[in-house]
Amino acid sequence: DSGVTQTPKHLITATGQRVTLRCSPRSGDLSVYWYQQSLDQGLQFLIQYYNGEERAKGNILERFSAQQFPDLHSELNLSSLELGDSALYFCASSLTGTNTGELFFGEGSRLTVL
Amino acid sequence: AQSVAQPEDQVNVAEGNPLTVKCTYSVSGNPYLFWYVQYPNRGLQFLLKYITGDNLVKGSYGFEAEFNKSQTSFHLKKPSALVSDSALYFCAVRDGGGGSYIPTFGRGTSLIVHP
Repeated sequence: DSGVTQTPKHLITATGQRVTLRCSPRSGDLSVYWYQQSLDQGLQFLIQYYNGEERAKGNILERFSAQQFPDLHSELNLSSLELGDSALYFCASSLTGTNTGELFFGEGSRLTVL
Repeated sequence: AQSVAQPEDQVNVAEGNPLTVKCTYSVSGNPYLFWYVQYPNRGLQFLLKYITGDNLVKGSYGFEAEFNKSQTSFHLKKPSALVSDSALYFCAVRDGGGGSYIPTFGRGTSLIVHP
């Protein structure tokens, strides 16, 4: 158990809809990362937050947004969903935002868009 | 820019035989290198890392990796494979020279250990 909690584990929705994925980092970790894993794109970095502020942005679509709250949990909002958004979304955490150490991953939220 | 290549989509090995999963990288500064393992329907788990020091790094579950600066490689190895080692393995790199703090992951290599 990595200590990172993600909900929901599975989500099925329709095109055009909006969903929110939630992540609670490991106790004491200040930084949260969101990754998207799909068969054709591999593991793609979306966005990073550190202590409530956006730290780095990757290949995140404009239809997607995220935030980190004062209690350090994070939410990833996906809107106007398309079939191609179906993927496994991972949250990871680390102690700092510029760490030399490893990331701790949650078990992911599997999103299916029909 | 930083990048990672895992040239093999799949590696097959018999139980008890040594295994190698290949990784090459590209960064402009000093590389920080990582290996992660992903079991079915699970998140990625950290195996080992190279930041500095000894080129041979030992990690969890009997895995080790060798950093080779001249070949820009960081291959994952294990002397004797177990069926339970069957999983998806990811190599990752980040620039330790002040570039992006975000690790870039390879596309993953599926390791299949046959009984």
